[in-house]
Amino acid sequence: EAQVTQNPRYLITVTGKKLTVTCSQNMNHEYMSWYRQDPGLGLRQIYYSMNVEVTDKGDVPEGYKVSRKEKRNFPLILESPSPNQTSLYFCASSFSRRTSEYYEQYFGPGTRLTVT
Amino acid sequence: LAKTTQPISMDSYEGQEVNITCSHNNIATNDYITWYQQFPSQGPRFIIQGYKTKVTNEVASLFIPADRKSSTLSLPRVSLSDTAVYYCLVPPEGFQKLVFGTGTRLLVSP
Repeated sequence: EAQVTQNPRYLITVTGKKLTVTCSQNMNHEYMSWYRQDPGLGLRQIYYSMNVEVTDKGDVPEGYKVSRKEKRNFPLILESPSPNQTSLYFCASSFSRRTSEYYEQYFGPGTRLTVT
Repeated sequence: LAKTTQPISMDSYEGQEVNITCSHNNIATNDYITWYQQFPSQGPRFIIQGYKTKVTNEVASLFIPADRKSSTLSLPRVSLSDTAVYYCLVPPEGFQKLVFGTGTRLLVSP
């Protein structure tokens, strides 16, 4: 089954304790991205990756790191989490657009993170 | 990125047809119009995309007038399970970034 998986689905942690949220896709997609969703602010892009070893900042990258060593994985790293990073996080993937065709993005189930 | 405007919320009853209109006045020539659906605490799910005229799939229809400055998502005979937020997006050619606005919150009642 084609899917994007995220782990963990729920996480409660304390300020300053490093954590990693994993994201994996089995569709051989080049493009992967992380979003966070907060009430009243909608979905905002954190980081994205056009392909292996190629990553770039989205709209709200502060406090986050990513890496793309393999095509299927795109982990989100919070080196020193703070309470303002409490949010619902989504990973997404798609084929890269080379023509005017549009390729839909597939979203993971979400990771609900609480930082106290 | 083409800015989109859509109603904040809509109410409907089971069995009715629901039409959600989105305006995108500065859409570029090669931009596609896409719609996503999101249930509470779940990731958005792609519904439909189109470039011009009409597109239909098993879930919805998308109507796009000739000037492409607006589009209408049509959900036939909605059910309670169609209660969700619907996002209209216009990602530009060669670029995957999705800019989600507030979407349209559809509430379907019995």
